[in-house]
Amino acid sequence: SAVISQKPSRDICQRGTSLTIQCQVDSQVTMMFWYRQQPGQSLTLIATANQGSEATYESGFVIDKFPISRPNLTFSTLTVSNMSPEDSSIYLCSAGQGPNSPLHFGNGTRLTVT
Amino acid sequence: LAKTTQPISMDSYEGQEVNITCSHNNIATNDYITWYQQFPSQGPRFIIQGYKTKVTNEVASLFIPADRKSSTLSLPRVSLSDTAVYYCLVGDFYNQGGKLIFGQGTELSVKP
Repeated sequence: SAVISQKPSRDICQRGTSLTIQCQVDSQVTMMFWYRQQPGQSLTLIATANQGSEATYESGFVIDKFPISRPNLTFSTLTVSNMSPEDSSIYLCSAGQGPNSPLHFGNGTRLTVT
Repeated sequence: LAKTTQPISMDSYEGQEVNITCSHNNIATNDYITWYQQFPSQGPRFIIQGYKTKVTNEVASLFIPADRKSSTLSLPRVSLSDTAVYYCLVGDFYNQGGKLIFGQGTELSVKP
């Protein structure tokens, strides 16, 4: 099974700044996704990170706010732009080998915006 | 995507069998049922997936009746370390590109 590493594991940021979260997978994967999870809540899908092309965003999420890169089959980044306190959350990267294969998740990046 | 309904929370004691039922009345023909487990401060982890009848692995069993409108995750002889949130997900994962849409989840608390 794929092992997913996220950096940073946590950060405290000032409002108006941007943070880029990195996701590294230890093997090549076909699918990568980014989720957000408020403490005590379920996960919300932000977008599908497509290798070599623009990410596919879910309703309520836009590229200007959450630009995503996926330069190859093992790496992706999510940037949270122009942050406000409402962006305080846990951001999780996930990856899988195929549509009917289990998704593996990183342990998340805990972001606090002050 | 099929809507799922599962209990918000459940309590159990060590050594007991725990059954968590998920309702998915509008499940479609191509939909699969999958369960994930999430410990605090960790990402979710795959437990089991099935389409119909019964599936068993080293961790759990999944029971799906013939009408597939519900499913039951069975955890045999739970321990304190099984305290976690359990998510039931239903979807045509192949045709939706493998993405998972999470519902509320069931918070299981195992007591000594």
